[in-house]
Amino acid sequence: DQQVKQNSPSLSVQEGRISILNCDYTNSMFDYFLWYKKYPAEGPTFLISISSIKDKNEDGRFTVFLNKSAKHLSLHIVPSQPGDSAVYFCAASGGGNQFYFGTGTSLTVIP
Amino acid sequence: DVKVTQSSRYLVKRTGEKVFLECVQDMDHENMFWYRQDPGLGLRLIYFSYDVKMKEKGDIPEGYSVSREKKERFSLILESASTNQTSMYLCASSLGAGGYGYTFGSGTRLTVV
Repeated sequence: DQQVKQNSPSLSVQEGRISILNCDYTNSMFDYFLWYKKYPAEGPTFLISISSIKDKNEDGRFTVFLNKSAKHLSLHIVPSQPGDSAVYFCAASGGGNQFYFGTGTSLTVIP
Repeated sequence: DVKVTQSSRYLVKRTGEKVFLECVQDMDHENMFWYRQDPGLGLRLIYFSYDVKMKEKGDIPEGYSVSREKKERFSLILESASTNQTSMYLCASSLGAGGYGYTFGSGTRLTVV
């Protein structure tokens, strides 16, 4: 059973606008969340993280929001750039050794 | 920076062959993982290891085995390759439990014909 879900397989956004990628999880024991970015033929690279003691974490153009009551997190990219076009995975952990990944959202930023 | 190196970027193997995918990390991480990535299915965990000679099954271990004889090296073995094992294989490592994120290798694109 998929514990981390990304319900939008793809998203297209105009350059300069905001991209919002969403992620839902089912396990209330998850307390640490990551976003990874993946280009074709490359491994995923770490983008940004958030722990359950926070509801927002910001790093440059990237902000992750966590709503624990809704078991929902989102990644905001502002402004979006063509180089942001990639597949984005969210991942969650309950403090153990393993992260659980969503199925990914393919973002296309249109110049 | 932690580096996770996968020995091959692209592999083409025949059905029934025994296939070895090698992964080496250089930062003394305890945990190592093998995932496969398929369109629409995301990253699915095959096996992981949290110590030398230790291994745990992930979500899709059937048709695969692993070996971790040294801390830095984690090998994925396809005992008898089949066409449904054509996929992108990703190795990752992490420092330990408690929310340490993964560092991934560049991936191996395996095609079984």
